[in-house]
Amino acid sequence: GESVGLHLPTLSVQEGDNSIINCAYSNSASDYFIWYKQESGKGPQFIIDIRSNMDKRQGQRVTVLLNKTVKHLSLQIAATQPGDSAVYFCAESRSNTGKLIFGQGTTLQVKP
Amino acid sequence: DGGITQSPKYLFRKEGQNVTLSCEQNLNHDAMYWYRQDPGQGLRLIYYSQIVNDFQKGDIAEGYSVSREKKESFPLTVTSAQKNPTAFYLCASSIVAGGYNEQFFGPGTRLTVL
Repeated sequence: GESVGLHLPTLSVQEGDNSIINCAYSNSASDYFIWYKQESGKGPQFIIDIRSNMDKRQGQRVTVLLNKTVKHLSLQIAATQPGDSAVYFCAESRSNTGKLIFGQGTTLQVKP
Repeated sequence: DGGITQSPKYLFRKEGQNVTLSCEQNLNHDAMYWYRQDPGQGLRLIYYSQIVNDFQKGDIAEGYSVSREKKESFPLTVTSAQKNPTAFYLCASSIVAGGYNEQFFGPGTRLTVL
């Protein structure tokens, strides 16, 4: 069946280090991918997105990489800060449906 | 100040009762969505609406109902037919359904069945 999954449920990093959160998707027809950040008790917040015609996209302190050959997506956070502690979800979409499919989420813990 | 509002933040319900969760957006978005989130899990789509007076079932629609009478409002009713309704409910909207448009989320409503 369709699924979007994350490789690790919890990632613990030292403040100031770079973080890499991984995601695998199963459907090669997906052409749009989004990373969301969710803090405890709040709704998900958009971080960055990427279309399937791109391999890399950069934002402020964040970079998303897309490898369509192995159906893998990653989120890189530079100089991780305590405020980055949250659950991170990847989501895939087919642009002709408008429906997002979410992965299970990875909890990022930032140690001071 | 544009955004999505959900009310109430916390809701308690007795078994056998229907309850309606509110979702309002002033972003002028055509598409709206309802998701359910269980502890330690991702989001699952309940219903979505691409335009006023139209909506479609998502992956877990059983025991839920919606209406879309106004562009800015998409209330969700959790009926007594929903066997395990305790969860965190999230409403979202996007400019249009499909395309390369991210969904914007509200703050959520935590429903607890007593």
